[in-house]
Amino acid sequence: GQQVMQIPQYQHVQEGEDFTTYCNSSTTLSNIQWYKQRPGGHPVFLIQLVKSGEVKKQKRLTFQFGEAKKNSSLHITATQTTDVGTYFCAAKTSYDKVIFGPGTSLSVIP
Amino acid sequence: DGGITQSPKYLFRKEGQNVTLSCEQNLNHDAMYWYRQDPGQGLRLIYYSQIVNDFQKGDIAEGYSVSREKKESFPLTVTSAQKNPTAFYLCASSEGGATEAFFGQGTRLTVV
Repeated sequence: GQQVMQIPQYQHVQEGEDFTTYCNSSTTLSNIQWYKQRPGGHPVFLIQLVKSGEVKKQKRLTFQFGEAKKNSSLHITATQTTDVGTYFCAAKTSYDKVIFGPGTSLSVIP
Repeated sequence: DGGITQSPKYLFRKEGQNVTLSCEQNLNHDAMYWYRQDPGQGLRLIYYSQIVNDFQKGDIAEGYSVSREKKESFPLTVTSAQKNPTAFYLCASSEGGATEAFFGQGTRLTVV
């Protein structure tokens, strides 16, 4: 079945450093979504990308969808302690099935 | 307030007992999902439903059962056939098509 992979699995950064997580699929995706889960919490939707090559920004967060629609990235500029959590990419397949990547866990050292 | 509610937040059961986790939404969403999350792991899809009275198996459906008799409700039963049921269970809902999923607060199930 369709799989979505993410790297790295873990990332520890000093506060103020940048952070990037990558999401890859073996098949072409119709869309990609990004979620954030704080420790002990539930996933919260961040953004959805639909178009090939699409780039969207939310303050310090930049999301990209690859030209071939098989990969995506989330980049955080100048991390803060509030960025701590696990970032998941997710893809909705046909029949409304939503599959999640394994996530990248971000730790920010003050 | 509109949202998706899971109850209870924490649940303890003895091995060999079936247990049902509740998930209710008042967002008028057609699609609902159940995911399992183990410590330090991602979300694995157990079951999902696109419309009332219809549901499909996800990637790890063995040992679980669901029903979708009402649009608002999608309960998950963890049966005694599930070999390792202790986990964090998350319910989500979304509108049809490529829209965001809204998650409940989750139920942390511990089987002893």
